[in-house]
Amino acid sequence: QKEVEQNSGPLSVPEGAIASLNCTYSDRGSQSFFWYRQYSGKSPELIMSIYSNGDKEDGRFTAQLNKASQYVSLLIRDSQPSDSATYLCAVVGGGGFKTIFGAGTRLFVKA
Amino acid sequence: DADVTQTPRNRITKTGKRIMLECSQTKGHDRMYWYRQDPGLGLRLIYYSFDVKDINKGEISDGYSVSRQAQAKFSLSLESAIPNQTALYFCATSDLRANTGELFFGEGSRLTVL
Repeated sequence: QKEVEQNSGPLSVPEGAIASLNCTYSDRGSQSFFWYRQYSGKSPELIMSIYSNGDKEDGRFTAQLNKASQYVSLLIRDSQPSDSATYLCAVVGGGGFKTIFGAGTRLFVKA
Repeated sequence: DADVTQTPRNRITKTGKRIMLECSQTKGHDRMYWYRQDPGLGLRLIYYSFDVKDINKGEISDGYSVSRQAQAKFSLSLESAIPNQTALYFCATSDLRANTGELFFGEGSRLTVL
């Protein structure tokens, strides 16, 4: 079992729709959770971080964390073509020493 | 100028050659990391360092070595490159004092081993 798992996609949504990206992790001691966006050929950039159960909203983005289910999600409302990218789920393990990434989900937003 | 700078940005080399990828940062962060990215596999941790005297192996350290020459510099070496080390390599930093876990990435070094 991979430590952080994501559906590789591609996930295709029409412009203006909600995109829902999901991630599960194996280390129950994990405390910090992140979503990075990576455009093709570019470096990852942080778009959301979440540390406690529940929802965290920032503009069009909402991160959701359920530690009991070991599940993290990212919702993108009013999706735009510029949101087309690969989204990487990242988890800092219980030791707090290193960040483990999922393989990423490719998102396409169709105009 | 980028806060985390990687050189070279692109490199083509032959099997058996020694290669060094360099990373320097102006963010003042203590923690530095080297990741490699392969299609469908995401980012995998090669080595990480929490200060100049601290070096730790990551998930896939075999065939690689690192040097933390200063707080701001962290180099990755491939002593004898092989084709399956063809990948996109990222250096990253994080701030121990902020303790958010956020990683700041360099622009990447694309390595091709023929």
